[in-house]
Amino acid sequence: DQQVKQNSPSLSVQEGRISILNCDYTNSMFDYFLWYKKYPAEGPTFLISISSIKDKNEDGRFTVFLNKSAKHLSLHIVPSQPGDSAVYFCAAPTDTSYGKLTFGQGTILTVHP
Amino acid sequence: EAEVAQSPRYKITEKSQAVAFWCDPISGHATLYWYRQILGQGPELLVQFQDESVVDDSQLPKDRFSAERLKGVDSTLKIQPAELGDSAMYLCASSLLGTGGGETQYFGPGTRLLVL
Repeated sequence: DQQVKQNSPSLSVQEGRISILNCDYTNSMFDYFLWYKKYPAEGPTFLISISSIKDKNEDGRFTVFLNKSAKHLSLHIVPSQPGDSAVYFCAAPTDTSYGKLTFGQGTILTVHP
Repeated sequence: EAEVAQSPRYKITEKSQAVAFWCDPISGHATLYWYRQILGQGPELLVQFQDESVVDDSQLPKDRFSAERLKGVDSTLKIQPAELGDSAMYLCASSLLGTGGGETQYFGPGTRLLVL
C-alpha cells in the first residue's frame, strides 16, 4: 500500500521551460509535505515543503502546489536549468508522533541545454 | 553549514560477511533515522532513534540487522550476515526534535553497499 506515489518515473524538459513534477497521496490526514532532490551518489537534499493549511509555497524558482481535495501536489520549476537534473522525491510524515517520512518512488528530471 | 556525516561512502562485501555503517548527525539533533534506498525506489525507513532510544524499528530485518545509538549522538548500523538483496544505498538522516509535521530531515551522503 503506497501512501505516497509518483507515477512518472522520468521527465525531460528543455532548459528555460517549466518542469512540473507530480505526487499523489492516499491519506487525507497528512498535513505536511516535502520535496527532496537527489543527485547520484549523494543523499537527498531538502528542497521545499508545504503545510496542508496552504495551497501554495514558493521559493525562488521552485513552487509547490497542494490540492487537498484531489490529494495531489506538484512541484514547478521555472525556469528549468541543466543543474536541476536530478531525482526528485516527494515525502510526507506518516507518523505524526515521531516524524517518520514516507517517500514516493521518485521522478528523474533531465533538463536539456 | 552543519551536515550529517556517514562512512564509509562505498562498501563492497561478499555475502555472509558482516558490514557496519557509521553516522554522525547534525549536532544537537535528537532524532536519527536510518533509511535504505533501493535503485528506482524512494528511501524506506529502517530504524528511528529518539536520543538513544529506538522509537521505530518495524521495518528493520532484526534477524540480520542491528542498530545502536549508545550515547544518543552517533549511530552504527550493522548487517550480519549480508545477503545479495541488501545491496542498496543506506542513508542516515537527522532532525532536531522528531515531532513530525513541519520539521525537516537532513540527510547524509549515504553508504552505497554492494554485496557480491
